[in-house]
Amino acid sequence: NAGVMQNPRHLVRRRGQEARLRCSPMKGHSHVYWYRQLPEEGLKFMVYLQKENIIDESGMPKERFSAEFPKEGPSILRIQQVVRGDSAAYFCASSPLGGLGADTQYFGPGTRLTVL
Amino acid sequence: ELKVEQNPLFLSMQEGKNYTIYCNYSTTSDRLYWYRQDPGKSLESLFVLLSNGAVKQEGRLMASLDTKARLSTLHITAAVHDLSATYFCAVGPQGGSEKLVFGKGTKLTVNP
Repeated sequence: NAGVMQNPRHLVRRRGQEARLRCSPMKGHSHVYWYRQLPEEGLKFMVYLQKENIIDESGMPKERFSAEFPKEGPSILRIQQVVRGDSAAYFCASSPLGGLGADTQYFGPGTRLTVL
Repeated sequence: ELKVEQNPLFLSMQEGKNYTIYCNYSTTSDRLYWYRQDPGKSLESLFVLLSNGAVKQEGRLMASLDTKARLSTLHITAAVHDLSATYFCAVGPQGGSEKLVFGKGTKLTVNP
């Protein structure tokens, strides 16, 4: 059973460009979470999605950031007009059930975004 | 707002020694996780603790949870070099929220 897959693993963008990060959950998992990790910091929750629904986006910046999890295909985290402060590692996690408060979230390898 | 504090943030120890990492959290929670992260890698799930008094052990690592004290510990027994990594605790807020709140992590270095 393949784990959570993320691509690209490394992404370099210039200020003002758009960054698109993709996440394919583990097989059988229908709940996806995005977290951001700054250097030497813990992970910060951004958004929780189920297929075609955003369940909790309380950690998402109000501007420039958006996320989706379409019926078909991977979840996508989009950052428009990137700034240097967006440089971080972005991790996606998935869980099988959700809603029960007891699922382990399984993490992907992360996308390391560098904004020049 | 739920806050999670780990200590120490940095830990250097010799092989064969024992030590404990502490994780305190500020509000009631019904689940706590420990993860391991190697440099440049993703997070590997170590333990899930769901009830007061829960204790889980895997190899040289043992995790426990005291929900009344809002405290979890990760105890390392007879450390070996392979345990060198950063260890995170993460807490799920009570009330059905699925998001996890992470501590800043404890960077463990085990010296030969």
